[in-house]
Amino acid sequence: ETGVTQTPRHLVMGMTNKKSLKCEQHLGHNAMYWYKQSAKKPLELMFVYNFKEQTENNSVPSRFSPECPNSSHLFLHLHTLQPEDSALYLCASSFGNNYGYTFGSGTRLTVV
Amino acid sequence: AQTVTQSQPEMSVQEAETVTLSCTYDTSESDYYLFWYKQPPSRQMILVIRQEAYKQQNATENRFSVNFQKAAKSFSLKISDSQLGDAAMYFCAYVGNKLVFGAGTILRVKS
Repeated sequence: ETGVTQTPRHLVMGMTNKKSLKCEQHLGHNAMYWYKQSAKKPLELMFVYNFKEQTENNSVPSRFSPECPNSSHLFLHLHTLQPEDSALYLCASSFGNNYGYTFGSGTRLTVV
Repeated sequence: AQTVTQSQPEMSVQEAETVTLSCTYDTSESDYYLFWYKQPPSRQMILVIRQEAYKQQNATENRFSVNFQKAAKSFSLKISDSQLGDAAMYFCAYVGNKLVFGAGTILRVKS
């Protein structure tokens, strides 16, 4: 375990469903991130939060809605997703940029 | 915008031998950090090694070392005495004002 915990590990949802991904870290990091990892594509940064404030939204469709209630928890709310949204969603946290990011194990999302 | 290029989609190495994974990057920033991450089938992204751009000395972590050529914007990873547990996807990453990943290199280790 790296100290960043993601739940669930796997999620299958229909296009009309609403679900949420959860990420939790107790490393004392001030920044949290959502990344999307699709097959044969580089990791795509989706959202960045610094001290609970969203500092970056990388042109992500509105069907993905992040929430950061405190610096230890990060959610990704999903609704009316498309099959092409199927991917591994990785959460990461950091204390600044200098020492790299600590990643969770990801949620494997399948949209049917 | 910063970019990171890993030109080798796949590499293979015999157990106990040495392999080098390539990475080049493009940036106009002068202050940045470079990383290699390993992602085994378990999906956990693990930090392997870190290099500060202002340091000329190449970073080393046990069997893992880098060849950092700042002028050439090259940052290759050398794995010595390869082990079966080294089999994974390896990502090169750049951090300036944000983290940018390369597309990854799959490393296969043959016994």
